[in-house]
Amino acid sequence: SQKIEQNSEALNIQEGKTATLTCNYTNYSPAYLQWYRQDPGRGPVFLLLIRENEKEKRKERLKVTFDTTLKQSLFHITASQPADSATYLCALAGSSNTGKLIFGQGTTLQVKP
Amino acid sequence: DGGITQSPKYLFRKEGQNVTLSCEQNLNHDAMYWYRQDPGQGLRLIYYSQIVNDFQKGDIAEGYSVSREKKESFPLTVTSAQKNPTAFYLCASSTVTYPTNDEQFFGPGTRLTVL
Repeated sequence: SQKIEQNSEALNIQEGKTATLTCNYTNYSPAYLQWYRQDPGRGPVFLLLIRENEKEKRKERLKVTFDTTLKQSLFHITASQPADSATYLCALAGSSNTGKLIFGQGTTLQVKP
Repeated sequence: DGGITQSPKYLFRKEGQNVTLSCEQNLNHDAMYWYRQDPGQGLRLIYYSQIVNDFQKGDIAEGYSVSREKKESFPLTVTSAQKNPTAFYLCASSTVTYPTNDEQFFGPGTRLTVL
């Protein structure tokens, strides 16, 4: 069956360092992958989308890579700040235009000042 | 001010009762979705709708029902048949274009507690 795995343990880093979050998947060939940020008690907010034919995508301090051979996406936040503390979710979609996404369980990032 | 709204924010229900969660969007999106989130887990799809008067079951549809009579509205009913309904419910909407879909916009969520 299709499976998405993100680090279940919280990631704790010091302010100013680069945070790297991992999203692995099996039994799946997604057409694209999205990353969302979720704060406690709130709905997720979209951050970045990367397609299967793209290796890397950047937006300000955020960078996403997508390796379809390794079946893995890495999400980087450079020069991290305490305000970046949140749970980050990856979501994969198939090539059909149903809009359905499969979400990972999320990784909680804590940036300490 | 465009967006997606859910009401109520908190909902308490007695066992055996049906309850309806509201979701409204003014983003002119064709697609709408309902997810359930349990502590420490990702989002699981309950139902989704690509167009008015049509909807499909997601991965965990049992014990839930929906309707899509208007483009702006996609209410979710949690029935007494749902064995463990206590959870955080999220509604989302998006445009649906081929070959890639746009991002999903989420509402603030409804936290349902069964007493």
